[in-house]
Amino acid sequence: DTGVSQDPRHKITKRGQNVTFRCDPISEHNRLYWYRQTLGQGPEFLTYFQNEAQLEKSRLLSDRFSAERPKGSFSTLEIQRTEQGDSAMYLCASSPIRLAATTDTQYFGPGTRLTVL
Amino acid sequence: QKEVEQDPGPLSVPEGAIVSLNCTYSNSAFQYFMWYRQYSRKGPELLMYTYSSGNKEDGRFTAQVDKSSKYISLFIRDSQPSDSATYLCAMTRSGTYKYIFGTGTRLKVLA
Repeated sequence: DTGVSQDPRHKITKRGQNVTFRCDPISEHNRLYWYRQTLGQGPEFLTYFQNEAQLEKSRLLSDRFSAERPKGSFSTLEIQRTEQGDSAMYLCASSPIRLAATTDTQYFGPGTRLTVL
Repeated sequence: QKEVEQDPGPLSVPEGAIVSLNCTYSNSAFQYFMWYRQYSRKGPELLMYTYSSGNKEDGRFTAQVDKSSKYISLFIRDSQPSDSATYLCAMTRSGTYKYIFGTGTRLKVLA
């Protein structure tokens, strides 16, 4: 399977615990995005990496959230001291470099569903 | 007011119908527009991508962008029960990779 993969697919944790999610983008896609999606809503942008550089962060990304992409390949999203409001689907997407204005596509992974009890 | 507005539905149509899905937006700087299909508990799947104004067709799907009205549409011809899903619009402007998504429209195609 050459698509975007995410691990784990489901995570149940207790309030106050730390959790870490992993995203493996499509090979050679140098751009990687994290989104959060709650029930009945569209994905909300969290952060964007170009290679290993984190170039954009949403104000939604509080100081409890941190994302890394150390070698420009896979990425991790960590949530510290989880709260019930963090319960959501966390989606990762990747895309190749935008070679022309007419090409820009993001490919999403299956997501990690987080439940905070 | 949200930057991107989308009717959540649900929209129910009979098999074979032409479906029209729409989004309106407020930021005139948006230039890149996408439509995604999302099945329950799955990640979004890219259907159509359009840059600036105009129409784009791919099989049963046609995407339209009217920048003067800040309005985008996705048409599905000969709809099938397998098209039943949530359809999300997304858009962004130059200089950022922050895509703004609509809330999604739930579509049900009845056999």
